[in-house]
Amino acid sequence: SQQGEEDPQALSIQEGENATMNCSYKTSINNLQWYRQNSGRGLVHLILIRSNEREKHSGRLRVTLDTSKKSSSLLITASRAADTASYFCAPTRGTGRRALTFGSGTRLQVQP
Amino acid sequence: DAGITQSPRHKVTETGTPVTLRCHQTENHRYMYWYRQDPGHGLRLIHYSYGVKDTDKGEVSDGYSVSRSKTEDFLLTLESATSSQTSVYFCAISESEKSFYGYTFGSGTRLTVV
Repeated sequence: SQQGEEDPQALSIQEGENATMNCSYKTSINNLQWYRQNSGRGLVHLILIRSNEREKHSGRLRVTLDTSKKSSSLLITASRAADTASYFCAPTRGTGRRALTFGSGTRLQVQP
Repeated sequence: DAGITQSPRHKVTETGTPVTLRCHQTENHRYMYWYRQDPGHGLRLIHYSYGVKDTDKGEVSDGYSVSRSKTEDFLLTLESATSSQTSVYFCAISESEKSFYGYTFGSGTRLTVV
């Protein structure tokens, strides 16, 4: 399975703190994506990092990728209550007929 | 979500009845997907489509069928609904086979089978 596994399952922090969540996977990849899901809504694509990249930034998001360890991390800096959501990673192999698969995600609660 | 709509948003049906969920897109994307989401299981892939009349099974396809006769519509059918199919169903679309632009998800259909 190409599914990523997010860790921790749940994370609770105070507003203004940084939130870090991790993703591990088992096979080689072409890229890895992170998604956010607010309660009762569909997933929203946040950021994609390619296998030849080690770090990528988008606003308050910082994603790292370590292909030797088959792991990625998503850092949200200066968290806000609006960041409360579940976060999913999706590692992707580029060849063949396939679709993204998702783990159970990390549930982030940002306390105001 | 912009460019993708799911219908109905909520449905309650009885065990044994057929149910069809619709996913409609206005983005002209080639790739479309159906997922279900249950507590403790994350999102699980049911079926996906690489184009008109080109579909494939996902990890939890038993009890489900799909059809794609037009680029814009991807239908998911539960031939005979069971209580285990109570779930939230999400449709997604993608412009790229390699997902370089990410998936766009619909708002979901909450299905309850009683």
